[in-house]
Amino acid sequence: DAKTTQPPSMDCAEGRAANLPCNHSTISGNEYVYWYRQIHSQGPQYIIHGLKNNETNEMASLIITEDRKSSTLILPHATLRDTAVYYCIVRAPWANQAGTALIFGKGTTLSVSS
Amino acid sequence: KAGVTQTPRYLIKTRGQQVTLSCSPISGHRSVSWYQQTPGQGLQFLFEYFSETQRNKGNFPGRFSGRQFSNSRSEMNVSTLELGDSALYLCASSLAGGESSYNEQFFGPGTRLTVL
Repeated sequence: DAKTTQPPSMDCAEGRAANLPCNHSTISGNEYVYWYRQIHSQGPQYIIHGLKNNETNEMASLIITEDRKSSTLILPHATLRDTAVYYCIVRAPWANQAGTALIFGKGTTLSVSS
Repeated sequence: KAGVTQTPRYLIKTRGQQVTLSCSPISGHRSVSWYQQTPGQGLQFLFEYFSETQRNKGNFPGRFSGRQFSNSRSEMNVSTLELGDSALYLCASSLAGGESSYNEQFFGPGTRLTVL
């Protein structure tokens, strides 16, 4: 089962920031938070990951609370092309006995409108 | 660098038949994972291959099998197809040698299988 909880859907106006929350209260000390998104009928796309510090790349920012029990993915200026299902996943970054399997939850469907 | 490729992109089969799907990982990637996506169950992990060995397997019946070749290309096979096997089958590759500091997986576009 997925170890994360996300709201099923969110709306955002084009050009505004989209803040997608994720709860992962049972995260272990060696687990990272990963975000992927899936645009309709395409394969999931990696967005960003982090352990405990805030992270930023060209796509998004990831804010992880100090107790690491929740995080927020921020798309600073959402566009129509950001409409997708966003998945928050926690797991160890390296291949372990379980390999590299990603356990996906239901994710959050983000709808960006003009 | 070319991405993950999957063939065929679309496939129509009838119940009872078998099907083989193919995945070519990104050059240099040694791990290939397979996922099934359906509207009801979402994205579910099928199995992972690393260096030609199955490293992990999800909760799917034995009708679902796979293999990996020495060039890291992978195939998955579904025998005795059922209507419920209609799904998008996704392949993902990663370095996953245990040395990488993070485990970014790159997904292919998927194969859409329809079972009639």
